[in-house]
Amino acid sequence: AQSVSQHNHHVILSEAASLELGCNYSYGGTVNLFWYVQYPGQHLQLLLKYFSGDPLVKGIKGFEAEFIKSKFSFNLRKPSVQWSDTAEYFCAVDDGNNAGNMLTFGGGTRLMVKP
Amino acid sequence: KAGVTQTPRYLIKTRGQQVTLSCSPISGHRSVSWYQQTPGQGLQFLFEYFSETQRNKGNFPGRFSGRQFSNSRSEMNVSTLELGDSALYLCASSGKNEQFFGPGTRLTVL
Repeated sequence: AQSVSQHNHHVILSEAASLELGCNYSYGGTVNLFWYVQYPGQHLQLLLKYFSGDPLVKGIKGFEAEFIKSKFSFNLRKPSVQWSDTAEYFCAVDDGNNAGNMLTFGGGTRLMVKP
Repeated sequence: KAGVTQTPRYLIKTRGQQVTLSCSPISGHRSVSWYQQTPGQGLQFLFEYFSETQRNKGNFPGRFSGRQFSNSRSEMNVSTLELGDSALYLCASSGKNEQFFGPGTRLTVL
């Protein structure tokens, strides 16, 4: 069975600080990788996804993530956060056969950005 | 395009009752997945339906069931409710390798 670990449960940053949220997964086969964000009072929405190809993936709102297969990691980064990035962030994994329809989520990281 | 809609948005039930939640996917999407979100267990996959057939199932007891209709709308049912079933139940419809989530149904079991 797959599992996903997000190391930081709560992160507090000041505006303009750089962000890196860790995500590690355990699964030996081919995986599809995702980062979702949930802004206060809003639906879960996709930030970015990795299926294959370039391991550095760029998403919406200036976010990017790097897939490092040898480390089973898919860390999320943003060079300069804004107050509007305050949200909960979820890393998720799907095995390569399911095209993102059967996600295993990490526990989430709550990010608070201070203005 | 309209997004994923879920009804009702809020429900209060008592232990032992059963409940049915509804999800209407984005037009043209044939896959619907259900997830349970709780503070303790986080987001957990319940099941996925595609073309009226259950294609994948998570590790939930048989009290949790679902179905999908020919128009891709889906329902999930929880029978013999327990206090621990209190959660936000999310539905997601899939297109082009991406899941679009609905707002969820907040179920409270008293």
